[in-house]
Amino acid sequence: AQKITQTQPGMFVQEKEAVTLDCTYDTSDPSYGLFWYKQPSSGEMIFLIYQGSYDQQNATEGRYSLNFQKARKSANLVISASQLGDSAMYFCAMREGLGSGTYKYIFGTGTRLKVLA
Amino acid sequence: ETGVTQSPTHLIKTRGQQVTLRCSSQSGHNTVSWYQQALGQGPQFIFQYYREEENGRGNFPPRFSGLQFPNYSSELNVNALELDDSALYLCASSLDLVSGELFFGEGSRLTVL
Repeated sequence: AQKITQTQPGMFVQEKEAVTLDCTYDTSDPSYGLFWYKQPSSGEMIFLIYQGSYDQQNATEGRYSLNFQKARKSANLVISASQLGDSAMYFCAMREGLGSGTYKYIFGTGTRLKVLA
Repeated sequence: ETGVTQSPTHLIKTRGQQVTLRCSSQSGHNTVSWYQQALGQGPQFIFQYYREEENGRGNFPPRFSGLQFPNYSSELNVNALELDDSALYLCASSLDLVSGELFFGEGSRLTVL
């Protein structure tokens, strides 16, 4: 079973509009972390936002916010006021414990976002 | 600029050979993890090192091994290369095991012929 599911292989959004990128996850670990990364064509992964499983508030970082719905196991990324430079691949990821203080990171298959002028 | 550098950026090997990829983490980051990203896929977790010891491993065979050094550098070694090992290999460092942010390098693109 997929641990991180991103169901949107590609998305288009008009410049200055908001867009939501979907992510659902599956874990039995009560303590986990959820991340979103942006990967431009250059290949480097850029950290956008982090949500801990025990965090009460949804995380926000500038134009990025994470819509965390724990019961539904979803962690959607909302980008407000899209810019042309937001065109990139976006990955949702989860850090889950393996026990004994060890962790592993699981990435989804990504969503390619294209911002239209 | 994440402060994480990887070398080499590109390399070509033949099946059966061995390869060593290198990563220099941000100063003070005592955790480093390595990922394999095949074309069109998300990164797959290979393993993580914390204070020079392996601290978590993904579903990769033992021919994938690593080292982490006290000077915040690390290596990924792959023995007996197979065609399917062709991928972008990403290194990421973080301040500690529970830090929320991974700082990635730009990757080493390995092609196995």
